[in-house]
Amino acid sequence: DAGVIQSPRHEVTEMGQEVTLRCKPISGHDYLFWYRQTMMRGLELLIYFNNNVPIDDSGMPEDRFSAKMPNASFSTLKIQPSEPRDSAVYFCASSYPSGGVTDTQYFGPGTRLTVL
Amino acid sequence: GQQLNQSPQSMFIQEGEDVSMNCTSSSIFNTWLWYKQDPGEGPVLLIALYKAGELTSNGRLTAQFGITRKDSFLNISASIPSDVGIYFCAGQLIRGGSEKLVFGKGMKLTVNP
Repeated sequence: DAGVIQSPRHEVTEMGQEVTLRCKPISGHDYLFWYRQTMMRGLELLIYFNNNVPIDDSGMPEDRFSAKMPNASFSTLKIQPSEPRDSAVYFCASSYPSGGVTDTQYFGPGTRLTVL
Repeated sequence: GQQLNQSPQSMFIQEGEDVSMNCTSSSIFNTWLWYKQDPGEGPVLLIALYKAGELTSNGRLTAQFGITRKDSFLNISASIPSDVGIYFCAGQLIRGGSEKLVFGKGMKLTVNP
């Protein structure tokens, strides 16, 4: 298996632009998570889905952030409009159907976002 | 929000030495996990602990789930250069029907050959 796939790996954009991050979970996993990592705040859960349904989005910082999972093999995290403080590494992770949230979460390589 | 206090924040050790790190919280967690992150990669799970008092080993790694369920430690014995990376603790929080992992800030380990 290729593991969790994220694209792009790096994104540099200007303030005010729309940014879309993409994730393909491991086939057969029914949980998908979006995290944000910064030096100041560490690794924070933004939102997670179970069977394509958002379960907890309490970590989404504000209305500029939105996430969708139209099918079991694809999810997007969108920031519109982007701001410099959104600069961070964004990780997607997925986990097994037989387990719960705390079972092994497989992380993707991350997308490093820089907003100028 | 919930926070995990992870210490130390960084360590510089010589190859062959042992290293310990821990996490504490004011909240009770149901599960503790330890992850390692290599540069440019996502975190990878090292050890999972599910019961208070549980002591689990994985090769040179040993971790324990504190009796109070508010802390955990990770030991690495006989360190080698490939142990370099950032180590994170994470605790499972269950609130209002939602489960989530809360991560510590990480401990950056440097191993000098």
